[in-house]
This record gives sequence, C-alpha cells and structure tokens, in this order.
Amino acid sequence: DAGVTQSPTHLIKTRGQQVTLRCSPKSGHDTVSWYQQALGQGPQFIFQYYEEEERQRGNFPDRFSGHQFPNYSSELNVNALLLGDSALYLCASSLGRTGNQPQHFGDGTRLSIL
Amino acid sequence: GIQVEQSPPDLILQEGANSTLRCNFSDSVNNLQWFHQNPWGQLINLFYIPSGTKQNGRLSATTVATERYSLLYISSSQTTDSGVYFCAFQYNFNKFYFGSGTKLNVKP
Repeated sequence: DAGVTQSPTHLIKTRGQQVTLRCSPKSGHDTVSWYQQALGQGPQFIFQYYEEEERQRGNFPDRFSGHQFPNYSSELNVNALLLGDSALYLCASSLGRTGNQPQHFGDGTRLSIL
Repeated sequence: GIQVEQSPPDLILQEGANSTLRCNFSDSVNNLQWFHQNPWGQLINLFYIPSGTKQNGRLSATTVATERYSLLYISSSQTTDSGVYFCAFQYNFNKFYFGSGTKLNVKP
C-alpha cells in the first residue's frame, strides 16, 4: 500500500522563477492538502483540493496555485519566487472532506531559492 | 484567531526518562493528530485522537476536547525518539493548524 509520494525531493530555483511540485495521495484517498514549513516552524496550511476543486485556502498569496487531477494526484505551482518561499513543502492526503479522517503526509520537497 | 500552543518548546531527557508534552487549542475540535518529525523532515503519524485516550507501545495520548487540550506521554525514552513533536488541530473541514512544536533531545 503506497503512501503519499512527492516529487522532486529537492529543488533549487532563483528569484522570479516558477516551480511545480507534485503529489500522489495514499491509495484510496481523494483529498490533498498542501503545507509550507519554514525552518524552525510548524507547517502552515496553503490549500486543500477535493473533487478537483480548491475547497479551503490559508493565508497565502495568489502566486500559490494548485490543481487536482481525476486520479486525485495534485500539483502545487508557485510563481514569481521570492527568497522567503524557501521551505519544505509537504503534501497530505486524507479520505473525504468531512474532517473526521486522519491526514497522512509525504516526505516533502525542499525548495531553495537563490 | 485559531491558536495551537505547545509546551514545552524544548526538552532534554536522559535515555530511559519519561515525559509529557502538552497541546492547547483555542476552538472546538473535530480532529487532532500528533506527529513526530524526524531530522530528515519526515512527519510520522503518531495518533489520531480527537477525544479519549490511545496507547501505542511506549507512547500514549489523551485529548480532553471539552477543556481544549491534548497530552502526549513518552515513557522509557530512547535516542530514536529525538526530533520535533507537533500537534495539529483540525477545525472547519480539514483546515489543519499546527503548533510550533516541542523539540525533544534524548541523550544516551
């Protein structure tokens, strides 16, 4: 039973560039959430996708966007990268959007902005 | 706004010691999870515990939803327990709020 998988594991970009991160949910899960974790802090909720639509959003600018595909996998896109976007980006999957199921996390993508 | 407070922020233990980590949350909960983040950044599920008490080996957790807190107990700590422990409080349909974590260092 495959868990949540994320790619790539590491990524280096420069300011102003655009990046796409990918996530495959745990088998049987249909909901994907994305989090940003800066060094020394807890993860911060970016947004959640369910039924191919963004259902919830945290306090992140429109430079952060996403997509969910029919197979429930998801992408996180960040445009016009800033130095402050350097962080560990975590994807979590769960079953349904009712809020009574645990979330399972992938190993994350470490994004460094130069 | 929604707040999740964890204490203590840092904890140093000698191998074999016991500890209690606390998580206070500011609103009614429909989900609460405890995670262990290892030095490689992997977030490992420990407990899904919106209420009640659960045990898994040397770890146990209790959530008292009416009083808005949760406790994680670690008994007979081992060096492999080192890392950061997060509680994540779920409010309003899958919008998770994480605490700032407790950094645990278990010395041999």
